[in-house]
Amino acid sequence: RKEVEQDPGPFNVPEGATVAFNCTYSNSASQSFFWYRQDCRKEPKLLMSVYSSGNEDGRFTAQLNRASQYISLLIRDSKLSDSATYLCVVNLRSNYKLTFGKGTLLTVNP
Amino acid sequence: GAGVSQSPSNKVTEKGKDVELRCDPISGHTALYWYRQRLGQGLEFLIYFQGNSAPDKSGLPSDRFSAERTGESVSTLTIQRTQQEDSAVYLCASSPPPRGASTGELFFGEGSRLTVL
Repeated sequence: RKEVEQDPGPFNVPEGATVAFNCTYSNSASQSFFWYRQDCRKEPKLLMSVYSSGNEDGRFTAQLNRASQYISLLIRDSKLSDSATYLCVVNLRSNYKLTFGKGTLLTVNP
Repeated sequence: GAGVSQSPSNKVTEKGKDVELRCDPISGHTALYWYRQRLGQGLEFLIYFQGNSAPDKSGLPSDRFSAERTGESVSTLTIQRTQQEDSAVYLCASSPPPRGASTGELFFGEGSRLTVL
């Protein structure tokens, strides 16, 4: 099993659609989970942290399932500006090292 | 500024030359990472520093690559005898000290774009 695994996509959705990404991780002891966003030719930036109870930020909802070792990101009412690569990030080791998935490319079409 | 700073932002070099890339992390951040990103590809982990612990060098692709960090401040990534396949954006990121078992957010610099002719 890969350490952090994401569906690479690409996901092509129309404006207004709801889209969901999943990410699985290998270490059941992981404690920190994030979703990052990377625009074309830009550096990754934090989109949101993922908390055990799940959390929401506007149109974005993140959830954690420890039993199945996956996290998810739901985007409602997609906008053109949501087009980007979404990266799942998990700390896998006792040395606190954060590991990135390969990312999922989302394109929102008019 | 208060963010992660990288220099140079762009570097063009000839095959076989050595290059040095610099990263100034956010003050107080104990963790520092280097990544490589080729055009259209994902992030490729290179090396991880955490405080005074031994660095995790498991991502360095060959012995031509090395990195140093002075305490919890500046880091330099050195690529010796550059090859065309080294052309990429080299990204540095830092994060604050861990709290318990949790790791803080990563903050990225804008990257150093390396082109090897």
